[in-house]
Amino acid sequence: GAGVSQSPRYKVAKRGQDVALRCDPISGHVSLFWYQQALGQGPEFLTYFQNEAQLDKSGLPSDRFFAERPEGSVSTLKIQRTQQEDSAVYLCASSFNQGRQTYNSPLHFGNGTRLTVT
Amino acid sequence: GENVEQHPSTLSVQEGDSAVIKCTYSDSASNYFPWYKQELGKRPQLIIDIRSNVGEKKDQRIAVTLNKTAKHFSLHITETQPEDSAVYFCAASSGFQKLVFGTGTRLLVSP
Repeated sequence: GAGVSQSPRYKVAKRGQDVALRCDPISGHVSLFWYQQALGQGPEFLTYFQNEAQLDKSGLPSDRFFAERPEGSVSTLKIQRTQQEDSAVYLCASSFNQGRQTYNSPLHFGNGTRLTVT
Repeated sequence: GENVEQHPSTLSVQEGDSAVIKCTYSDSASNYFPWYKQELGKRPQLIIDIRSNVGEKKDQRIAVTLNKTAKHFSLHITETQPEDSAVYFCAASSGFQKLVFGTGTRLLVSP
């Protein structure tokens, strides 16, 4: 089936604008993650959902960042009043993993949304 | 929290040579260690992973070793090919798959 799908692929926003980034996980995947990848760096964790529940949002940089997954499938990452330091690739990933297990299901990433704040 | 260090940051090899990338982690509770390959402008793709109950895993030209006592793990690529050129990331997780990534290694395989 289809992999993790993210849209838009590219987004240019003027400083101060709000943006919304969408993620369609693989069908049936319970866990969904958002990561932020700055240029030349590894992905950094932002937030995690299990179904519709946001279980960990410790990586969100500020209260301008908000994520939701209301029906346990599609997720949206919203950034309010964008700043230049928000420029990065935002990666979404999903897995079949259901909660705390000793066996980890592989994490599948989308192609990301490249956000440029001017 | 977990901290993952990765080296080298860049690695240049000739086609056919072997390449080794090393990572260390800080959290002794970490039990899952995947490796991702990321080509320019593309998604990270899982190439191999290892769990803490295993010391070594191999998949064709790729192998990963894990030393839990020393808290380090390594990626080994044999008979490198130009299409192996990419950025490779190691990662570690102790649960809920909250992966902590290393800073990446840019591998360049010259024909």
